[in-house]
Amino acid sequence: GAGVSQSPRYKVAKRGQDVALRCDPISGHVSLFWYQQALGQGPEFLTYFQNEAQLDKSGLPSDRFFAERPEGSVSTLKIQRTQQEDSAVYLCASSRDIQGLYGYTFGSGTRLTVV
Amino acid sequence: AQTVTQSQPEMSVQEAETVTLSCTYDTSESDYYLFWYKQPPSRQMILVIRQEAYKQQNATENRFSVNFQKAAKSFSLKISDSQLGDAAMYFCAYRRVEYGNKLVFGAGTILRVKS
Repeated sequence: GAGVSQSPRYKVAKRGQDVALRCDPISGHVSLFWYQQALGQGPEFLTYFQNEAQLDKSGLPSDRFFAERPEGSVSTLKIQRTQQEDSAVYLCASSRDIQGLYGYTFGSGTRLTVV
Repeated sequence: AQTVTQSQPEMSVQEAETVTLSCTYDTSESDYYLFWYKQPPSRQMILVIRQEAYKQQNATENRFSVNFQKAAKSFSLKISDSQLGDAAMYFCAYRRVEYGNKLVFGAGTILRVKS
């Protein structure tokens, strides 16, 4: 596609519910990042994929967070047993090369609200 | 660990005037990239300008320019001839040179443009 597509745009989950957030990067983009952005704050890194390989998951806040990119294109961020502190915007970004020389394209994010 | 600090939570500028947004960072690396991103209400992060630390010359993109002071670890953004469409949240971000490394963002500055 022309840009990075994220779905759903909004998600309301009851505490304890599992959620899955989808990121569809630009076709052919090698690198894919997930960020978490709390209200009024800057994005914080969650995890990084190079093709299908998850090379860095140091930012995942707990073992309730899991990300995958099985075929090196679409990625899913899954949050199990959601908590109120998980409420945030989840941003996905991709780049065509592993060095990011051509910059990153961000999606519009998924706003997750846990009630 | 690298940190990015934006000390101005909010700034205002009159249309057609000039405004400067501040950013400082902390790193022990000698080579890295610095970025300014704009985030409008649509939530999509849009790259405004990028600076490579090994380049002495300050980056410029049309009405946007930076004042990069490497020794002081300062990276300010100057917006000239401000337009109503410039109103947004602005984030300063740092990235190491090695591939795949994440962006480290500041907390952001809200820019309001008055007509």
